[in-house]
Amino acid sequence: GAVVSQHPSWVICKSGTSVKIECRSLDFQATTMFWYRQFPKQSLMLMATSNEGSKATYEQGVEKDKFLINHASLTLSTLTVTSAHPEDSSFYICSARELGGNTEAFFGQGTRLTVV
Amino acid sequence: GQQLNQSPQSMFIQEGEDVSMNCTSSSIFNTWLWYKQDPGEGPVLLIALYKAGELTSNGRLTAQFGITRKDSFLNISASIPSDVGIYFCAGQRFPSNTGKLIFGQGTTLQVKP
Repeated sequence: GAVVSQHPSWVICKSGTSVKIECRSLDFQATTMFWYRQFPKQSLMLMATSNEGSKATYEQGVEKDKFLINHASLTLSTLTVTSAHPEDSSFYICSARELGGNTEAFFGQGTRLTVV
Repeated sequence: GQQLNQSPQSMFIQEGEDVSMNCTSSSIFNTWLWYKQDPGEGPVLLIALYKAGELTSNGRLTAQFGITRKDSFLNISASIPSDVGIYFCAGQRFPSNTGKLIFGQGTTLQVKP
């Protein structure tokens, strides 16, 4: 299957700082990438849809100024958590949909963010 | 946000037993997907279904796209300890083609050797 690489796999940052998470499709091109947030023992919550070359589409209740998304190429999308606070601590996961492919999305390994 | 109704929420079974879980929705879906997630990892795609009535197998796993397009089930036969994890159903609502998925709440599977 298609490989999606997410980096870093975990990060600890101080409150008030910003953190950038990268999502790369390694062996395919992805016009669309998705960013999810997952709390312990819960399902995945879609935060935003990232489209290459255009602005991301955010889900209701997700602050676009807080979670900055950039999709500059067909193989890379980034999520920047700005001015992080402890309540932003969570597991963030990206997925990518292959250009011209079926609906199935391939997920990255996830990033565990801890804000102290 | 909207979620699919996935059941059961958790299962604790003996090694060798068969497992069945399902997802239902009040809306019609054009794609059903089943994923497995291990702790601290991203979900891994197990089976993808695209047509109503479609029955697809992947080793000991079998999944079906319900005829009504509002449900899907996943069966695991002869469970083994490495089947432990959280299983999620996910679907794309008809007539969307954006790839945007809606997820079930997950089924936590534990297998006793």
